[in-house]
Formats: sequence, C-alpha cells, structure tokens
Amino acid sequence: EAGVVQSPRYKIIEKKQPVAFWCNPISGHNTLYWYLQNLGQGPELLIRYENEEAVDDSQLPKDRFSAERLKGVDSTLKIQPAELGDSAVYLCASSSTGELFFGEGSRLTVL
Amino acid sequence: QKEVEQNSGPLSVPEGAIASLNCTYSDRGSQSFFWYRQYSGKSPELIMSIYSNGDKEDGRFTAQLNKASQYVSLLIRDSQPSDSATYLCAVNRGGADGLTFGKGTHLIIQP
Repeated sequence: EAGVVQSPRYKIIEKKQPVAFWCNPISGHNTLYWYLQNLGQGPELLIRYENEEAVDDSQLPKDRFSAERLKGVDSTLKIQPAELGDSAVYLCASSSTGELFFGEGSRLTVL
Repeated sequence: QKEVEQNSGPLSVPEGAIASLNCTYSDRGSQSFFWYRQYSGKSPELIMSIYSNGDKEDGRFTAQLNKASQYVSLLIRDSQPSDSATYLCAVNRGGADGLTFGKGTHLIIQP
C-alpha cells in the first residue's frame, strides 16, 4: 500500500513569492492533516480535513495561508506571500482510525 | 492550552540497556496517546499507540499510561544504535482529532 505522498520535497523561494504544496493521502483515509514543523520542535497542526470539509483550521494563519481538498482526496496548501519565518517543513498526514501516518514532508526555505 | 512536555535530551543510553522516555500532558480530556520516532531529516513514524491505563508491549517497545498522573512513557529494551532518533509524544481527545505533539526527546544509543 502506498503511503502519503507529498511534493515538492524541497522548495527555495524569495520572500513575498507564493508557494504551494501538494499531498496525496493513503487510499481510503478520509481525514487529512497539514502540520508545520520547525527545527527542534514537534509538529504543529495547521488544518484538518474530514473528506472535503475543513473541520479544524483554527491554527492556520488565514491572512497568508490557504488550503483546499477538492473531491476529498488530494490537498494543496498555499502560502502567499511567503515570509522568512515560514521556513520550515510542511508535513501532510492522513488517518482512518485516529492513528496518523505522515508523508516525507516538504522543506521550505524562504530567502 | 493543551501542552505536551518532554525532556529534550539528549538522553544517552548504552547499547543493550533499557531506554526510558517520559511525557506529561496537560489536557485531562486526552484519550489517545502515541509515540512517534523521527530520524534526522525524516518524517515522524508511528511506533506505538495506547488508549487505556497500564502497559502495552510490542516487541522491544513498551508504552505505559497513567491518566491519573497525566503521564505516558516509552521503554525500549535491548537498545540498538538504530534506535538513535528523536521520539515524539503525541496526544488527542480521541477519534480523528488533531494530535498535540511534544518537542521530542533526542535519544542516543552508544555502541
């Protein structure tokens, strides 16, 4: 069974530029999460989807971050415009039983 | 505010010994508890989940939960150099609720 797939693995952009990350969850997993992980810290939840509905986006900085999960499968997380402090690893996870399985992450560097 | 506390380490353990990792949490409504292992530059990997008080064993790993004390621990028996990683404790209120992670404990197994 394929795991959670994320792309791109690495992205380097200049500040104020836009960036987008894509996630394909494990087949059959209705719940999808986006987490942010800074160096030396644990992952922090940005948004949780149940199928195509965002059921918890309280930690998503909505002035610059947006996410969508059309058709309840793949998801995209966007940042526009990016700031220096957005440099981090963006992790996507999916679940069907409450146990979360993570993708390899997308490492963003903002210059 | 939900908090999960871990000693960041590094925790250094001789090969073959028992490694003991500890975690406390603040939310008394927490129902599900997880341990993730994260190698440097990689994403978190689920190694144990525990939902009721007591011990749960899986191979060389034992998770211990004490809800009254709001305490979770992970024991690794016969520690191997390949166990060297950061171990993340995570909790939630059950179901598909997003996980709250600690900052992780950096474990080093000395050959």
